[in-house]
Amino acid sequence: SQQGEEDPQALSIQEGENATMNCSYKTSINNLQWYRQNSGRGLVHLILIRSNEREKHSGRLRVTLDTSKKSSSLLITASRAADTASYFCATDYSGGGADGLTFGKGTHLIIQP
Amino acid sequence: KAGVTQTPRYLIKTRGQQVTLSCSPISGHRSVSWYQQTPGQGLQFLFEYFSETQRNKGNFPGRFSGRQFSNSRSEMNVSTLELGDSALYLCASSLGQSANTIYFGEGSWLTVV
Repeated sequence: SQQGEEDPQALSIQEGENATMNCSYKTSINNLQWYRQNSGRGLVHLILIRSNEREKHSGRLRVTLDTSKKSSSLLITASRAADTASYFCATDYSGGGADGLTFGKGTHLIIQP
Repeated sequence: KAGVTQTPRYLIKTRGQQVTLSCSPISGHRSVSWYQQTPGQGLQFLFEYFSETQRNKGNFPGRFSGRQFSNSRSEMNVSTLELGDSALYLCASSLGQSANTIYFGEGSWLTVV
């Protein structure tokens, strides 16, 4: 069963606006990773946040993690048309991927030019 | 350095046949894991190999199998193909330890007719 649940399932915004996606999970984790997937392509790694971290930044991306609420959010600032993609959170509760990453269904983000 | 490489990228098979997919991990990575992605079930973990040993297996029937070679390259095999096996099969590699980033390949699109 899938542990992560992204919210919303779909999001359409204007170019230049900020996009926020949320992820909730069920059990304690070692880390949480966010990925982007363009249609029909592989997953591109965006950010990994460890369970003892609360916030990480990478360029226009900001990820927060609240382990007490078992939730994470991904913020994309100043969105661009190229950001159109599906975004997935993946939880790793075993460490090293030995038990596999558990993915949510993803948020489909559409950036309107 | 080169990313995770999967071959073939696209293939069509007939029900009842078997298929072998190949994955070359990022140089130095000893962990290789496989995922199946379908519109209905999303991304699901198949199995993970580390130093030629299967460390864990997802909830898939025995028709799905894999192996890893001494150079960390991995193959997965699906026997007696069913229509429902049509999916994007993604390979991922990492160093295999806790909090390591897991990198994905572009995937192999399998269509069973």
